Parts: sequence; C-alpha cells; structure tokens
Amino acid sequence: EAGVAQSPRYKIIEKRQSVAFWCNPISGHATLYWYQQILGQGPKLLIQFQNNGVVDDSQLPKDRFSAERLKGVDSTLKIQPAKLEDSAVYLCASSLEGYGYTFGSGTRLTVV
Amino acid sequence: KQEVTQIPAALSVPEGENLVLNCSFTDSAIYNLQWFRQDPGKGLTSLLLIQSSQREQTSGRLNASLDKSSGRSTLYIAASQPGDSATYLCAVSRLNQFYFGTGTSLTVIP
Repeated sequence: EAGVAQSPRYKIIEKRQSVAFWCNPISGHATLYWYQQILGQGPKLLIQFQNNGVVDDSQLPKDRFSAERLKGVDSTLKIQPAKLEDSAVYLCASSLEGYGYTFGSGTRLTVV
Repeated sequence: KQEVTQIPAALSVPEGENLVLNCSFTDSAIYNLQWFRQDPGKGLTSLLLIQSSQREQTSGRLNASLDKSSGRSTLYIAASQPGDSATYLCAVSRLNQFYFGTGTSLTVIP
C-alpha cells in the first residue's frame, strides 16, 4: 500500500511569512494527525482529525496555526505568521483503529 | 493522563552487542504499543506493533515484549550494527489517541 505522502520535504522562510504543508494519508485511514517535532524532543500532537472533524486541537497555537482536512482525505497545515520557534519537523500520520500509526517522511521547516 | 517514559535517554554500545531499550506507561488500558525508529531530521519508521492481547513481536534482529499489568515494554536488539544508530520511540494507543515516550538515542560504535 502507498504510504503517507507529505510535501514539501524542506522549506526555508523568513519570520512573519506564511507557509503551508500538505499531507495525503493512507487510503481508508479515517484518523489523521499533525505533529510538531523540535530538534531533540519527542513529537508533540498539534491536531487530530477523525474523517473531516477535529478530535483534538488543544495544543495547536490557534493564533497562528490552522489546519483543515478536505473531504476527510487530504489535509493542510498552515502557519501565518511564522516565528523563529516554529522551526521544526512537521510530521503527518494516519491510522486505522487498532493498527497503529503510519508516518510520512515529514517536512523540515526552518524560519530565519 | 497517560505518561510514557523511556530509559535510558541515550545509549552508546560497541558494534555486535545485544541491547535492551525500555518503555514504561502509567495507564495499562491500552489497545497497542508501537516501537518506532527515527533518523535525524526524518520521519518515524514503524518497527513493531504489539496488540494488547499479545506478549511479544519479532522482526529480524528486533524483539519487542509487552507486559500490560506492569506497564512495561522492552525492545531487544540483537547483534547491534552501526546502521542501528538512531532514536527509538515507543507509543501507546487507546481509542486512536497516541502517547509518545521521550525516546532513546542509540549510538552503535564500529
């Protein structure tokens, strides 16, 4: 089966600019997750979708981050405006209940 | 709230050694436990998934065990190789909610 697709792989932007990341989960996986992983730390959940509804966005900085899951399939995560501390790897994952996660290869964001 | 801890935080071993990584969790009501490998700046690669009804899973040189009652899992790596150098993370799940451990950074010295 095809894996979780993410793009772009790398992005460098200046602070105060905006950026968007895209994720296409594994076909049939109802649950989609966005994680932020800062260098040297474990992944931190930003938002979890079940189909096109939000299950958990308690750690999403809503003043600058937004996410949507179009028609319960693809998802985009946007940051506007970016800050230096947003430099991290952004990971998308999908899951089928009881079968564990599958992660994409991630997008490395550098804010300068 | 589920808390997942991994010990040690970092480990350095000579090539060829067998080693054990530990993962502990506070709430035993889990559906499954998953071990991942992460190379620097990359995504997470799933290594082994243990369902709550299972005691262990094996893949090649890797063996993962699960003891739900004591809230522990171990990842055993046999005959370690320099290519095994990476960060290893465990995650427990229930109702599609996943909780990650803090990770163990492994270095295998040639």
